[in-house]
Amino acid sequence: EPEVTQTPSHQVTQMGQEVILRCVPISNHLYFYWYRQILGQKVEFLVSFYNNEISEKSEIFDDQFSVERPDGSNFTLKIRSTKLEDSAMYFCASSGRPGLAGGGTQYFGPGTRLLVL
Amino acid sequence: DAKTTQPTSMDCAEGRAANLPCNHSTISGNEYVYWYRQIHSQGPQYIIHGLKNNETNEMASLIITEDRKSSTLILPHATLRDTAVYYCIVRLIFGNEKLTFGTGTRLTIIP
Repeated sequence: EPEVTQTPSHQVTQMGQEVILRCVPISNHLYFYWYRQILGQKVEFLVSFYNNEISEKSEIFDDQFSVERPDGSNFTLKIRSTKLEDSAMYFCASSGRPGLAGGGTQYFGPGTRLLVL
Repeated sequence: DAKTTQPTSMDCAEGRAANLPCNHSTISGNEYVYWYRQIHSQGPQYIIHGLKNNETNEMASLIITEDRKSSTLILPHATLRDTAVYYCIVRLIFGNEKLTFGTGTRLTIIP
């Protein structure tokens, strides 16, 4: 069964450093998402991306964050200058075309645990 | 904010059916009901979704009331591996709308 994969599984970084989190979505999916979950809190939406453009972003997704699809298979989330409060699990998700056939179901990766020291 | 309400926690004996309720009284006609679960800190796992008819797949069954204001997720024969937080989420049929997660129901399967 196709699945979403993420690398790295864990990342430890110093405050102020840049990090890039990578995601390989399911191969025929065209809609991509990033979510995060701070320890003990809810899963929060960050950004959605389609056709090389951001579709929607939350207030969390400020100028320190960016997303990119550098090639036909990867989807990345970059945090330019990490802060302590960026420590969280980051999940990417992908979906097919939304519609009555249920193609818009989002499938999640296993996550990247980011720890900012 | 999440448009659904769920009990905070539930217990179920291993081997029994686990019935998880969800209220979504403000659901509109162009919104699905989705169910996901999260085991420990793993990525949310898709379980099932429905519009107005009852649905069944290899993981679970989804019963949606006729007025669509509530639904029940049924795990027919719960195992210890079904211990997780279960999320009921309402989402538009069309468009790539985000998923809005609430606090979900923490289901504990008791041996």
